Order: sequence, then C-alpha cells, then structure tokens
Amino acid sequence: GENVEQHPSTLSVQEGDSAVIKCTYSDSASNYFPWYKQELGKRPQLIIDIRSNVGEKKDQRIAVTLNKTAKHFSLHITETQPEDSAVYFCAASRGPMNRDDKIIFGKGTRLHILP
Amino acid sequence: EPEVTQTPSHQVTQMGQEVILRCVPISNHLYFYWYRQILGQKVEFLVSFYNNEISEKSEIFDDQFSVERPDGSNFTLKIRSTKLEDSAMYFCASSPGLAASYEQYFGPGTRLTVT
Repeated sequence: GENVEQHPSTLSVQEGDSAVIKCTYSDSASNYFPWYKQELGKRPQLIIDIRSNVGEKKDQRIAVTLNKTAKHFSLHITETQPEDSAVYFCAASRGPMNRDDKIIFGKGTRLHILP
Repeated sequence: EPEVTQTPSHQVTQMGQEVILRCVPISNHLYFYWYRQILGQKVEFLVSFYNNEISEKSEIFDDQFSVERPDGSNFTLKIRSTKLEDSAMYFCASSPGLAASYEQYFGPGTRLTVT
C-alpha cells in the first residue's frame, strides 16, 4: 500500500545551524506533499506544502524540494531557532478532486535545537 | 479565520462503552476526514466523507467505527464498543475540495482514553 518513509527519527542541531529532513513515498499518483509541525498535545500545523508540478518552494527560513522521478522530498530549515524544536511530519496525498485524497504521514522527526 | 472545532477535548471511557466524537468542519468545506494518532506515533487516516457518504476508509476503520453528518454542521465519529487500543488522539479535518486549495484543515483533536 501507500507508504511514506521519513529520516531521521531524531535530529539535534545547534541553534543557528540548518536542519534537513528527508522523505520518500511509494505512490506514483501522489501529487501533493505537505509538511507539518506538531507540538506536544497539539494538532499538526501545516508549515509548507509543495505540489508535483513544482520542484522547489521557499518560505522565509523553510524550503522544500521535490524529486518526482526519485520519489524523494526534503524539508530544509535554515538559521534554526529554539522555537523550531518540535516533531515534524512529511506527508503525501493524491490531492483533492480525487476519491482517494487521504494524507499519508511519515513517522515524524523529533527536532531538538541546542542552545 | 474559520477553524475546525472538536468536542470534547478529552474523553475518558471504559472498555466496551460507546463513544461519539464530534466535529464542526469549516462551513463551506465539502470534504471531511477523521485521523487518529496513538501517543508518540504518526498520524493515521481513518475515513473520508463526501456528499453524505464514505469516500474511503482504512483498515483501522472496521465495523466498530461509523461516521455521520447528522445536520448541516456536525460530523461525528462513533466507536461502538471501545477497546484499550482505541486510546489515541482523534483529529477531524475538512477541505474545500477545490483544485486551488489542497490543504486539509485539522481540528485541535479529542484525546480518547479507554480504561
């Protein structure tokens, strides 16, 4: 079935350094790739997303890249800050207007920003 | 900004009891979803709902689960006879179902504890 693999499961970076989280997906029909930040006990919060017709997208300190051929996508956070500490989930979906538009989540990456 | 709301925020129930989790999706959205997240694990898709019927359901969504949109605003998830392993955070989500907007909007969740 559809699957999203995410690495690493835990990541510790010095404040001010960059963090990179990588994901792969199995469903060739996936065309929407959201990234979520989740703090303890809270809902997943969409931080950035990318569609399959785009290879890269940036929003301030956050950027995502997508390689559809290799079925890889990545999240890059630059100039990390203490408030970036959280669990990050990558995900994949076939997008709306499909009967099958469920979001498949990766297992998450716990990001620790070290002072 | 409109938000998905869920009640209750926390529900404690005994094994074998029925529970109903309630959600109010964003008013002009057409697609509705339930996801669950066991503590410390990834978010998992349960069911999607459109035009007053289930669009898709996962293996988790067995005969003990049902969904309903009893009126124009509420969307409910019922678990008929709860098991210990049903303990999780349950998130409702909704989306407009438009090609211009792929995002699914998550509610704050209901923490279900089965004892």
